[in-house]
Amino acid sequence: QVQLQESGPGLVKPSGTLSLTCTISGGSISSSYWWGWVRQPPGKGLEWIGEIYHSGSTNYNPSLESRVTISVDISKNQFSLNLSSATAADTAVYYCAREAEDYGGRTLDSWGRGTLVTVSS
Amino acid sequence: EILMTQSPATLSVSPGESATLSCRASQSIDSNLAWYQQKPGQAPRLLIYGASIRATGCPARFSGGGSGTEFTLTISRLQSEDFAVYYCQQYKDWPPWTFGQGTKVEIK
Repeated sequence: QVQLQESGPGLVKPSGTLSLTCTISGGSISSSYWWGWVRQPPGKGLEWIGEIYHSGSTNYNPSLESRVTISVDISKNQFSLNLSSATAADTAVYYCAREAEDYGGRTLDSWGRGTLVTVSS
Repeated sequence: EILMTQSPATLSVSPGESATLSCRASQSIDSNLAWYQQKPGQAPRLLIYGASIRATGCPARFSGGGSGTEFTLTISRLQSEDFAVYYCQQYKDWPPWTFGQGTKVEIK
């Protein structure tokens, strides 16, 4: 059974870059899945950030696209999120997830436990 | 971007009773709808996809219905572990995949 684990700094300074890595175990990042990031501000709902395929193809939420980069490291079975120009509004629990194809779209069928990132000086 | 609207925001239900949650899409998404359950301090868990297909490990007391723009999630005979927040997600049109704002099912 695939497992995902987020890692990275829990505190980021305003205007800095939020960087997180998701490590996959029990499965290969090169399998026929997309891999995504979702965030959840404290006490609020879920926001999809973006996704990547092992080929390097990416799709991003238009509301964040100018600040987001998602990359993949096949050798380490990892994918990463970079969010630049961070503000307090980016404070959230960040989840990585596996995305399964269904009728041309994708559902998030396996999730990491999430990691809280706070943007504060 | 497709807007997903869930109702009600909070549903108070007694254990053993049934609960019906609603999700509406701003445009037709056919059956490209998923439901997730999230318990406090935990990641969301996929329950339903294709509007009505239970994911692996989802109990049979959970059932999804609807197509187009109107969808429901019904939980029969609520058990203590079912009290949680439920989110719907459309995956018809992207980017982005979009979620509803959630419905909290609480103990009455």
